[in-house]
Amino acid sequence: DVKVTQSSRYLVKRTGEKVFLECVQDMDHENMFWYRQDPGLGLRLIYFSYDVKMKEKGDIPEGYSVSREKKERFSLILESASTNQTSMYLCASSSGGSAGELFFGEGSRLTVL
Amino acid sequence: GENVEQHPSTLSVQEGDSAVIKCTYSDSASNYFPWYKQELGKRPQLIIDIRSNVGEKKDQRIAVTLNKTAKHFSLHITETQPEDSAVYFCAATPTGKLIFGQGTTLQVKP
Repeated sequence: DVKVTQSSRYLVKRTGEKVFLECVQDMDHENMFWYRQDPGLGLRLIYFSYDVKMKEKGDIPEGYSVSREKKERFSLILESASTNQTSMYLCASSSGGSAGELFFGEGSRLTVL
Repeated sequence: GENVEQHPSTLSVQEGDSAVIKCTYSDSASNYFPWYKQELGKRPQLIIDIRSNVGEKKDQRIAVTLNKTAKHFSLHITETQPEDSAVYFCAATPTGKLIFGQGTTLQVKP
């Protein structure tokens, strides 16, 4: 059974703080993704990675960066958190190939005050 | 880039009725169209998907149809049950990164 684990379910941070969201998957998947989920906007892709040390921008990368030093771990970084980054963040992974099932983590709900 | 529009945003049906959710996409190169279900407080999970070389696919009470000419695809749920209540997301991908629709909140009333 694929397991995608996000380190924090709930976080509260202050404006300007640096925030790290960690995601680990245990199925040796090549592909990893970070989405944010907001009511009425669906799931919007922030960044994704198809291999270690590789990253590509999604549709809304502004204000975010990522790190993938190991195959199983994909981190999302908010360099200077702002209130409009208050959201639910979902990590996902999938196996290689042009298209395949995404396995999601349980999500990290971030509140920026 | 790819854009996916999903309608309706909310849908309420009586138990036993059918529910239909529709999506349109913009990139004609898209070739994979999955549907995800997210129950309240839980993670999204794949329920059915279709590839561009197929027009229709069924799995028990759920089915997906694809019209590549018109660039739209639909999810059909028959004989709805209360446990079908959830948010449903369609998605499309021309390149391997999934672009999701805005989501449909389905409520099945007993």
